[in-house]
Amino acid sequence: ETGVTQTPRHLVMGMTNKKSLKCEQHLGHNAMYWYKQSAKKPLELMFVYNFKEQTENNSVPSRFSPECPNSSHLFLHLHTLQPEDSALYLCASSQILAGGTDTQYFGPGTRLTVL
Amino acid sequence: GENVEQHPSTLSVQEGDSAVIKCTYSDSASNYFPWYKQELGKRPQLIIDIRSNVGEKKDQRIAVTLNKTAKHFSLHITETQPEDSAVYFCAATQINTGTASKLTFGTGTRLQVTL
Repeated sequence: ETGVTQTPRHLVMGMTNKKSLKCEQHLGHNAMYWYKQSAKKPLELMFVYNFKEQTENNSVPSRFSPECPNSSHLFLHLHTLQPEDSALYLCASSQILAGGTDTQYFGPGTRLTVL
Repeated sequence: GENVEQHPSTLSVQEGDSAVIKCTYSDSASNYFPWYKQELGKRPQLIIDIRSNVGEKKDQRIAVTLNKTAKHFSLHITETQPEDSAVYFCAATQINTGTASKLTFGTGTRLQVTL
């Protein structure tokens, strides 16, 4: 599948490491999102970017730092994470329309384990 | 902010039977309600959505109903098949002109279709 891709697919890191998650969308969309999916909890919206501008930070701790250099790429920089940050991190994209936004398309996710 | 509750958390039906999943939302300003299906190890994918200007929408074996007064919406799957087995998520948001949508998800329903 080539619509929304994420790398790496799996990541194991220690609490003192610094790593980055990458998302790329090939759909020509202008909005991108980061979600966290933990077991037995709903998908949690973390960050939203409209036309490369961050419009939402859903009370996310500063150890998560997003970056959107252009409308096709989205990064999530990680540092000094905690074991409870272990989860599936999903990227999504959508097209902002005059009447709102279209469907959000998800990437396959990065399974993150923090030791 | 919006709060979405989803029931049941697990649902087991026999092949050929119908399945119904229900969600309630809290914010009367919400006007867009998508449903996503997530198969094991795969990304969430939109299966159907409904906007607040209609009360029902159908797509082959799948239908969604919306009751704005009661603030609840439901997913109906008829003639279930083994490939319908997955986790289903409802979501709600208010679509604003020219901005990205911020979906609030339910906790998910694990549907198991048995032979």
